[in-house]
Amino acid sequence: DADVTQTPRNRITKTGKRIMLECSQTKGHDRMYWYRQDPGLGLRLIYYSFDVKDINKGEISDGYSVSRQAQAKFSLSLESAIPNQTALYFCATSETGGQGQETQYFGPGTRLLVL
Amino acid sequence: DAKTTQPPSMDCAEGRAANLPCNHSTISGNEYVYWYRQIHSQGPQYIIHGLKNNETNEMASLIITEDRKSSTLILPHATLRDTAVYYCIVRPLSSGSARQLTFGSGTQLTVLP
Repeated sequence: DADVTQTPRNRITKTGKRIMLECSQTKGHDRMYWYRQDPGLGLRLIYYSFDVKDINKGEISDGYSVSRQAQAKFSLSLESAIPNQTALYFCATSETGGQGQETQYFGPGTRLLVL
Repeated sequence: DAKTTQPPSMDCAEGRAANLPCNHSTISGNEYVYWYRQIHSQGPQYIIHGLKNNETNEMASLIITEDRKSSTLILPHATLRDTAVYYCIVRPLSSGSARQLTFGSGTQLTVLP
């Protein structure tokens, strides 16, 4: 979905390096998420944010940190990358409908390889 | 979230309708049926969702049975670009905490030329 962009799209880094993955959205949504997906596995939630001042840990936050710089921007950092953080990373935004139903929209993903 | 059951794979001829079934017999009254798809290694794409009425948008139609225990996603004129894994998900209404979007194993739809 072009309304949610991620940079970089591919990244190779070495163990111990600090890297940042960036996400921007033009949908005007307050809620943003970071997921990782490993081959053959589903999505796992790393962090989520309901607004600029709200940051929450997800299922697998260890080794990661995030920054919500603005409503439209949500960055994920790997403080000291390790090989088992090699994965496909997705940013998502969500809107809540009138009945409380929540729909998530995903970016194209960042493929990260940690050597 | 309620458990869903989908066939692991389906084929469909290009230009024909693709009908993807999903069973969700334990669905609760406040849970919605969502459909997403994921083309290999791309970001999951939202398709459609519904509560109890049939829904249609520019991508697909969603038919939910009267007892809400199953549903069918219909792609009216499948193209090769519709080849993807399709996920049926049942989710309750939004609450104060985030709900992880959990994909099951999904259905691999292959559109054949």
